[in-house]
Amino acid sequence: GAVVSQHPSRVICKSGTSVKIECRSLDFQATTMFWYRQFPKQSLMLMATSNEGSKATYEQGVEKDKFLINHASLTLSTLTVTSAHPEDSSFYICSALGPQNEKLFFGSGTQLSVL
Amino acid sequence: SQQGEEDPQALSIQEGENATMNCSYKTSINNLQWYRQNSGRGLVHLILIRSNEREKHSGRLRVTLDTSKKSSSLLITASRAADTASYFCATDDGGSEKLVFGKGTKLTVNP
Repeated sequence: GAVVSQHPSRVICKSGTSVKIECRSLDFQATTMFWYRQFPKQSLMLMATSNEGSKATYEQGVEKDKFLINHASLTLSTLTVTSAHPEDSSFYICSALGPQNEKLFFGSGTQLSVL
Repeated sequence: SQQGEEDPQALSIQEGENATMNCSYKTSINNLQWYRQNSGRGLVHLILIRSNEREKHSGRLRVTLDTSKKSSSLLITASRAADTASYFCATDDGGSEKLVFGKGTKLTVNP
């Protein structure tokens, strides 16, 4: 099956710093990737849709200057949390639309803790 | 916008018992999918059922879809402790590429 790798799995950073999270499709090309945020015991909240070679489409209420998304190749999308604050602490998960454009294949998630 | 809503929010059963989770949604769909999430991990795709299908099986999983009631159910038969996880339904939000996830059912299977 299709494999999506997300790195790092856990990051602790100081307030004000920027953190980059990578999402790679290992054995297929992913023209569309999605970034989610998940709070404890809650569902996934879609943050943005990342399309290879074009600007990301952000969901309402998500600051595009705060959460920078780059999808420069067919196998890599990155999410950069800029000037992180404690309230940005969360579990971030990426997913890629699979080869048949129906199923999503997820990375293993990144637990971000901002001190 | 939140589309799928799972019921119950939490379910605790004994190994060997069956587990049934329900999902309701609001708009028309092309397909409905179920995903599983182990604690602190990403989601794993379990099964996809299309809007013109009523029932689908995959191993110990059985999914039903009732488009007239805008609801779906996931049945896990002969549950095992390893089935302990959160289960989410997801719909394609009227045919778009985006999937909208429900709040999930946390299943605990006690050995």
